[in-house]
Amino acid sequence: GAVVSQHPSRVICKSGTSVKIECRSLDFQATTMFWYRQFPKQSLMLMATSNEGSKATYEQGVEKDKFLINHASLTLSTLTVASAHPEDSSFYICSATGTRARETQYFGPGTRLLVL
Amino acid sequence: ELKVEQNPLFLSMQEGKNYTIYCNYSTTSDRLYWYRQDPGKSLESLFVLLSNGAVKQEGRLMASLDTKARLSTLHITAAVHDLSATYFCAVDKGGSEKLVFGKGTKLTVNP
Repeated sequence: GAVVSQHPSRVICKSGTSVKIECRSLDFQATTMFWYRQFPKQSLMLMATSNEGSKATYEQGVEKDKFLINHASLTLSTLTVASAHPEDSSFYICSATGTRARETQYFGPGTRLLVL
Repeated sequence: ELKVEQNPLFLSMQEGKNYTIYCNYSTTSDRLYWYRQDPGKSLESLFVLLSNGAVKQEGRLMASLDTKARLSTLHITAAVHDLSATYFCAVDKGGSEKLVFGKGTKLTVNP
């Protein structure tokens, strides 16, 4: 099946630091990638949708200047949490769809962010 | 606004028993998905249901979709401990590929 990787899997940083999370589709071209966040024991909330070569579309209430998304190629999207604060601590999960994975979204393994 | 409701949110059952998880959604949608999440892990795709009356089965899990009732069910047959996980349904938001998730059902299968 289609494989999506994320890096890093876990990051701990100080408040005020910017953190970059990478999402890669390993064996297919991802025309669209999605970024979700999940708080402990809660469901997934869609943050933004990113299409290769164009600006990301953010969901209502998500600060685009805080969560910077770049989808530079058909296999890579990045999420940068700018000047992270403790309330940004969460589990961030990306997913991707593409020509091989058009019937479902394939999810990456997630990145756990802890901001101290 | 599309809303997705799952019930129950918590389910504790004994091995060997059968049970059903329900997923209701509020507006017409083309696709419904079921995912499994183990603690600390990401989501694993279980089923994609694309049309009214669709039924899919994999091992002890069977999913069905009734688009007229806006209802999907995930039926567990003869549960085993390995099925313990959180199960999410998600609905495609009007063909946009954006997914709206239910709150999840935490299933615990006891020996």
